[in-house]
Amino acid sequence: QVQLQESGPGLVKPSETLSLTCTVSGGSITGFYWSWIRQPPGGGLEWIGNIHYTGLAAYSLSLRGRVTMSVDTSNNYLSLKLIFVTAADTALYYCARYPSDTSSGLDYWGQGVLVTVSS
Amino acid sequence: QSALTQPASVSGSPGQSITISCTGTSSDVGGYNLVSWYQQHPAKAPNLMISNVSDRPSGVSNRFSGSKSGITASLTISGLQAEDEADYYCSSYTSSNTYVFGTGTKVTVL
Repeated sequence: QVQLQESGPGLVKPSETLSLTCTVSGGSITGFYWSWIRQPPGGGLEWIGNIHYTGLAAYSLSLRGRVTMSVDTSNNYLSLKLIFVTAADTALYYCARYPSDTSSGLDYWGQGVLVTVSS
Repeated sequence: QSALTQPASVSGSPGQSITISCTGTSSDVGGYNLVSWYQQHPAKAPNLMISNVSDRPSGVSNRFSGSKSGITASLTISGLQAEDEADYYCSSYTSSNTYVFGTGTKVTVL
């Protein structure tokens, strides 16, 4: 059973960088696309971007320029960096997996990590 | 990229069928058969219910079905049950090589 676990600091100061990790267990990162999604408190889902295990990434137009994703296939984890954060970046951040290149749906999700942007 | 439009809420009685709409544009929903639907219970991660417009992952009840016509995709829940009460989100691939989620729909079982 594939399991995803997000981790990172729960509190980030405005204008600083948010850095999160998603550790994948019970399966390999290799062969799949992976995605980061966020959800502000009481709000809806927002797609941040996705990344192929080869490192090819695509980002949300609204976050492009501030977001970077990477993969470490040796240690089986993904990373997300978001620079110059503001209060609007406060959200529950999820990582998730696309089961195949031709599937639009995310079949495995982590439990999410809450990140609050505040001084 | 604007969020796809969903009704804020839909309700139905146990045993009834309900349909949730998801309206986009020709650059997303209308242009690709890459629409997915997710169910999210409070304080839980989303759960994939439908992918590629109408494909149901293993383990998902056949009471859930998806379809699409033009720029609007739909999720139908038949034989509504109390456990179906949750938030539902659609998602679509876009011409910008990105994905976009819908605004979300709260389903209430009366």
